[in-house]
Amino acid sequence: DVKVTQSSRYLVKRTGEKVFLECVQDMDHENMFWYRQDPGLGLRLIYFSYDVKMKEKGDIPEGYSVSREKKERFSLILESASTNQTSMYLCASSFLSVETQYFGPGTRLLVL
Amino acid sequence: SQQGEEDPQALSIQEGENATMNCSYKTSINNLQWYRQNSGRGLVHLILIRSNEREKHSGRLRVTLDTSKKSSSLLITASRAADTASYFCAPSNSGGSNYKLTFGKGTLLTVNP
Repeated sequence: DVKVTQSSRYLVKRTGEKVFLECVQDMDHENMFWYRQDPGLGLRLIYFSYDVKMKEKGDIPEGYSVSREKKERFSLILESASTNQTSMYLCASSFLSVETQYFGPGTRLLVL
Repeated sequence: SQQGEEDPQALSIQEGENATMNCSYKTSINNLQWYRQNSGRGLVHLILIRSNEREKHSGRLRVTLDTSKKSSSLLITASRAADTASYFCAPSNSGGSNYKLTFGKGTLLTVNP
């Protein structure tokens, strides 16, 4: 079975802190994705990566950056956390383009 | 990528009843996927139906696709309390560098015991 893990289930940070969210997949998938999910807004794509060191902006990249140094790991970075980044963050990976995506359990981030 | 719109936004039924939720989209697709999300968890892939298929089954799930109406439906038969979750559709027209899926706001299904 594909396994996608995220470094934390819950995280509390202060405004202005630099925050790292880590995602690891064990199926040698080329594609990895970061979403955020907010009530009433559904899932929104922040960034995705289709290969090591490759990245593309999603629909809401502002305030975020990503890093993909190894195929299995995709990191989401909040350079200076703000309260409006309080959200549920979901990581996903997939093998082929736009085929099945496998999701991690999510990280619920609270920025105070 | 394009977004699917799920309907209804919320659905409440009794255990044992069938649940039907719908998805509409705007442009031509290669395939359409359905996902489930239990409260506070990640999404789980349920089923993928390709544009040349009209119906697909997986256990108690039945998905139909009508490309002429640009719509799909997900039927869960003999529902259980454990089916309580949000359900999302994700239509896609894959190809080139279009790796993205766009998810809608989902249908929240509540199955009452």
